[in-house]
Amino acid sequence: GAVVSQHPSWVICKSGTSVKIECRSLDFQATTMFWYRQFPKQSLMLMATSNEGSKATYEQGVEKDKFLINHASLTLSTLTVTSAHPEDSSFYICSARDPENYGYTFGSGTRLTVV
Amino acid sequence: AQSVSQHNHHVILSEAASLELGCNYSYGGTVNLFWYVQYPGQHLQLLLKYFSGDPLVKGIKGFEAEFIKSKFSFNLRKPSVQWSDTAEYFCAVSHNNAGNMLTFGGGTRLMVKP
Repeated sequence: GAVVSQHPSWVICKSGTSVKIECRSLDFQATTMFWYRQFPKQSLMLMATSNEGSKATYEQGVEKDKFLINHASLTLSTLTVTSAHPEDSSFYICSARDPENYGYTFGSGTRLTVV
Repeated sequence: AQSVSQHNHHVILSEAASLELGCNYSYGGTVNLFWYVQYPGQHLQLLLKYFSGDPLVKGIKGFEAEFIKSKFSFNLRKPSVQWSDTAEYFCAVSHNNAGNMLTFGGGTRLMVKP
Protein backbone atom coordinates (compact mmCIF):
# COMPACT_ATOMS: atom_id res chain seq x y z
CA GLY A 1 0.00 0.00 0.00
CA ALA A 2 0.86 3.65 -0.14
CA VAL A 3 3.42 4.89 2.33
CA VAL A 4 3.79 8.30 3.88
CA SER A 5 7.16 9.17 5.34
CA GLN A 6 7.27 11.77 8.08
CA HIS A 7 10.33 13.18 9.77
CA PRO A 8 11.73 13.98 12.14
CA SER A 9 10.07 11.50 14.44
CA TRP A 10 11.22 13.29 17.50
CA VAL A 11 12.44 16.82 18.07
CA ILE A 12 13.26 18.95 21.08
CA CYS A 13 13.60 22.67 20.56
CA LYS A 14 14.00 25.80 22.62
CA SER A 15 11.10 28.11 23.17
CA GLY A 16 10.97 30.79 20.49
CA THR A 17 12.58 28.75 17.75
CA SER A 18 10.88 27.26 14.70
CA VAL A 19 10.60 23.61 13.77
CA LYS A 20 9.86 22.16 10.35
CA ILE A 21 8.18 18.80 9.94
CA GLU A 22 8.18 17.07 6.57
CA CYS A 23 5.64 14.68 5.17
CA ARG A 24 6.40 12.83 1.95
CA SER A 25 4.27 10.49 -0.07
CA LEU A 26 6.35 7.64 -1.41
CA ASP A 27 5.52 6.15 -4.80
CA PHE A 28 2.32 8.13 -5.17
CA GLN A 29 1.21 11.69 -5.64
CA ALA A 30 -0.78 13.39 -2.95
CA THR A 31 -2.58 16.53 -4.02
CA THR A 32 -4.07 16.74 -0.56
CA MET A 33 -2.46 15.99 2.77
CA PHE A 34 -3.85 16.41 6.23
CA TRP A 35 -2.10 17.54 9.39
CA TYR A 36 -3.31 16.33 12.77
CA ARG A 37 -2.32 16.98 16.32
CA GLN A 38 -2.67 14.44 19.08
CA PHE A 39 -2.43 15.37 22.74
CA PRO A 40 -1.57 12.68 25.27
CA LYS A 41 -4.41 10.23 25.76
CA GLN A 42 -6.60 12.14 23.35
CA SER A 43 -7.77 11.66 19.82
CA LEU A 44 -6.40 13.18 16.66
CA MET A 45 -7.58 16.66 15.90
CA LEU A 46 -7.39 17.92 12.35
CA MET A 47 -5.34 21.10 12.16
CA ALA A 48 -5.35 21.80 8.45
CA THR A 49 -5.75 20.43 4.99
CA SER A 50 -2.73 20.98 2.80
CA ASN A 51 -3.42 21.47 -0.89
CA GLU A 52 -0.71 21.20 -3.50
CA GLY A 53 -0.07 24.52 -5.16
CA SER A 54 -2.52 26.49 -3.08
CA LYS A 55 -3.10 27.73 0.41
CA ALA A 56 -3.86 25.33 3.20
CA THR A 57 -7.28 25.22 4.76
CA TYR A 58 -7.08 25.62 8.51
CA GLU A 59 -9.54 24.36 11.05
CA GLN A 60 -11.19 26.76 13.40
CA GLY A 61 -8.93 27.76 16.23
CA VAL A 62 -5.68 26.87 14.49
CA GLU A 63 -3.36 29.84 14.04
CA LYS A 64 -2.31 30.13 10.42
CA ASP A 65 0.69 32.28 11.20
CA LYS A 66 1.94 29.89 13.81
CA PHE A 67 1.51 26.66 11.91
CA LEU A 68 2.78 27.36 8.43
CA ILE A 69 1.95 24.75 5.84
CA ASN A 70 3.62 24.48 2.48
CA HIS A 71 2.65 21.93 -0.15
CA ALA A 72 4.96 22.86 -2.97
CA SER A 73 5.00 19.52 -4.76
CA LEU A 74 2.78 16.51 -5.20
CA THR A 75 4.90 14.47 -2.83
CA LEU A 76 5.86 16.88 -0.09
CA SER A 77 4.01 18.89 2.51
CA THR A 78 5.73 20.67 5.36
CA LEU A 79 4.42 22.00 8.65
CA THR A 80 6.50 24.67 10.35
CA VAL A 81 5.75 25.48 13.95
CA THR A 82 6.96 29.06 14.29
CA SER A 83 8.09 30.64 17.52
CA ALA A 84 7.33 27.44 19.36
CA HIS A 85 6.21 27.52 22.97
CA PRO A 86 5.89 24.71 25.51
CA GLU A 87 2.15 24.52 24.89
CA ASP A 88 2.93 23.53 21.29
CA SER A 89 4.49 20.34 22.57
CA SER A 90 2.46 17.56 21.06
CA PHE A 91 2.41 14.70 18.60
CA TYR A 92 1.92 15.87 15.02
CA ILE A 93 0.78 13.43 12.36
CA CYS A 94 0.35 13.85 8.63
CA SER A 95 -1.89 11.82 6.40
CA ALA A 96 -2.61 11.41 2.71
CA ARG A 97 -5.31 9.72 0.74
CA ASP A 98 -4.20 6.31 -0.49
CA PRO A 99 -4.93 6.28 -4.22
CA GLU A 100 -5.04 2.48 -4.32
CA ASN A 101 -7.88 1.83 -1.92
CA TYR A 102 -9.19 5.31 -1.15
CA GLY A 103 -8.29 4.91 2.47
CA TYR A 104 -5.94 7.15 4.34
CA THR A 105 -2.36 6.43 5.12
CA PHE A 106 -0.58 8.07 8.01
CA GLY A 107 2.94 9.14 8.70
CA SER A 108 4.67 7.82 11.78
CA GLY A 109 4.24 11.10 13.57
CA THR A 110 6.55 13.71 15.07
CA ARG A 111 6.80 14.17 18.78
CA LEU A 112 7.64 17.81 19.44
CA THR A 113 8.87 18.91 22.83
CA VAL A 114 9.44 22.61 23.37
CA VAL A 115 11.56 23.48 26.39
CA ALA B 1 -20.35 19.66 11.64
CA GLN B 2 -19.97 15.95 11.93
CA SER B 3 -18.87 14.29 15.12
CA VAL B 4 -17.79 10.80 16.03
CA SER B 5 -18.38 9.21 19.42
CA GLN B 6 -16.68 6.21 20.88
CA HIS B 7 -18.46 5.18 24.02
CA ASN B 8 -15.79 3.11 25.68
CA HIS B 9 -12.64 4.98 26.62
CA HIS B 10 -10.93 2.05 28.29
CA VAL B 11 -11.63 -1.64 27.87
CA ILE B 12 -9.86 -4.45 29.67
CA LEU B 13 -10.39 -8.00 28.49
CA SER B 14 -8.83 -11.38 29.04
CA GLU B 15 -7.43 -13.31 26.10
CA ALA B 16 -10.06 -15.18 24.08
CA ALA B 17 -12.82 -12.83 25.20
CA SER B 18 -15.00 -11.26 22.55
CA LEU B 19 -14.66 -7.59 21.74
CA GLU B 20 -17.11 -4.97 20.60
CA LEU B 21 -16.21 -1.30 20.46
CA GLY B 22 -18.94 1.19 19.80
CA CYS B 23 -18.79 4.01 17.30
CA ASN B 24 -21.54 6.47 16.40
CA TYR B 25 -21.40 9.42 14.08
CA SER B 26 -23.63 12.41 13.59
CA TYR B 27 -23.60 13.18 9.87
CA GLY B 28 -26.83 12.37 8.04
CA GLY B 29 -25.50 12.05 4.51
CA THR B 30 -23.35 9.51 2.76
CA VAL B 31 -20.29 8.68 4.80
CA ASN B 32 -17.14 6.66 4.57
CA LEU B 33 -16.24 4.85 7.77
CA PHE B 34 -12.91 3.66 9.08
CA TRP B 35 -11.36 1.93 12.04
CA TYR B 36 -7.71 2.55 12.78
CA VAL B 37 -5.45 0.93 15.34
CA GLN B 38 -2.46 2.51 17.03
CA TYR B 39 -0.16 0.02 18.73
CA PRO B 40 2.07 1.39 21.48
CA GLY B 41 4.79 3.53 19.97
CA GLN B 42 3.58 3.03 16.43
CA HIS B 43 1.64 5.03 13.90
CA LEU B 44 -1.96 4.61 12.89
CA GLN B 45 -2.80 1.60 10.78
CA LEU B 46 -6.01 0.93 8.91
CA LEU B 47 -7.99 -2.02 10.23
CA LEU B 48 -10.93 -1.80 7.88
CA LYS B 49 -13.12 0.61 6.00
CA TYR B 50 -16.62 0.89 4.61
CA PHE B 51 -17.56 2.86 1.53
CA SER B 52 -20.58 1.02 0.16
CA GLY B 53 -22.03 -2.44 -0.38
CA ASP B 54 -22.13 -5.15 2.24
CA PRO B 55 -22.50 -3.38 5.60
CA LEU B 56 -20.52 -6.12 7.32
CA VAL B 57 -16.90 -5.37 6.63
CA LYS B 58 -14.03 -7.71 7.36
CA GLY B 59 -10.62 -6.28 8.05
CA ILE B 60 -7.20 -7.44 9.02
CA LYS B 61 -6.28 -9.52 12.05
CA GLY B 62 -9.76 -10.99 12.42
CA PHE B 63 -11.55 -7.71 12.99
CA GLU B 64 -14.88 -6.86 11.47
CA ALA B 65 -17.32 -4.00 11.69
CA GLU B 66 -20.97 -3.58 10.88
CA PHE B 67 -22.44 -0.42 9.44
CA ILE B 68 -25.99 0.14 10.66
CA LYS B 69 -27.25 3.19 8.86
CA SER B 70 -30.40 3.56 10.93
CA LYS B 71 -28.34 3.71 14.10
CA PHE B 72 -25.52 5.82 12.65
CA SER B 73 -23.19 3.19 14.01
CA PHE B 74 -20.09 1.34 12.90
CA ASN B 75 -19.13 -0.96 15.75
CA LEU B 76 -15.90 -2.92 15.68
CA ARG B 77 -15.89 -6.57 16.69
CA LYS B 78 -13.51 -9.44 17.16
CA PRO B 79 -14.67 -12.88 18.38
CA SER B 80 -11.54 -13.71 20.33
CA VAL B 81 -8.94 -11.14 21.30
CA GLN B 82 -5.26 -11.76 21.79
CA TRP B 83 -2.71 -10.07 23.99
CA SER B 84 -1.22 -8.53 20.84
CA ASP B 85 -4.48 -6.65 20.25
CA THR B 86 -3.58 -4.32 23.10
CA ALA B 87 -3.67 -0.92 21.43
CA GLU B 88 -5.75 2.18 20.96
CA TYR B 89 -8.58 2.01 18.45
CA PHE B 90 -9.98 4.97 16.59
CA CYS B 91 -13.16 5.20 14.61
CA ALA B 92 -13.14 7.82 11.86
CA VAL B 93 -15.63 9.22 9.39
CA SER B 94 -15.31 11.19 6.21
CA HIS B 95 -17.75 12.48 3.67
CA ASN B 96 -17.40 14.23 0.37
CA ASN B 97 -18.98 17.45 1.56
CA ALA B 98 -16.19 17.95 4.06
CA GLY B 99 -13.32 17.75 1.63
CA ASN B 100 -12.78 14.11 2.49
CA MET B 101 -11.11 15.03 5.74
CA LEU B 102 -11.29 12.48 8.51
CA THR B 103 -13.02 13.19 11.78
CA PHE B 104 -11.84 10.90 14.55
CA GLY B 105 -13.59 9.57 17.58
CA GLY B 106 -11.96 9.96 20.95
CA GLY B 107 -10.35 6.54 20.81
CA THR B 108 -10.70 3.42 22.91
CA ARG B 109 -7.74 2.07 24.79
CA LEU B 110 -7.89 -1.74 24.83
CA MET B 111 -5.83 -3.79 27.19
CA VAL B 112 -5.84 -7.55 26.81
CA LYS B 113 -4.60 -9.49 29.79
CA PRO B 114 -2.62 -12.62 28.98
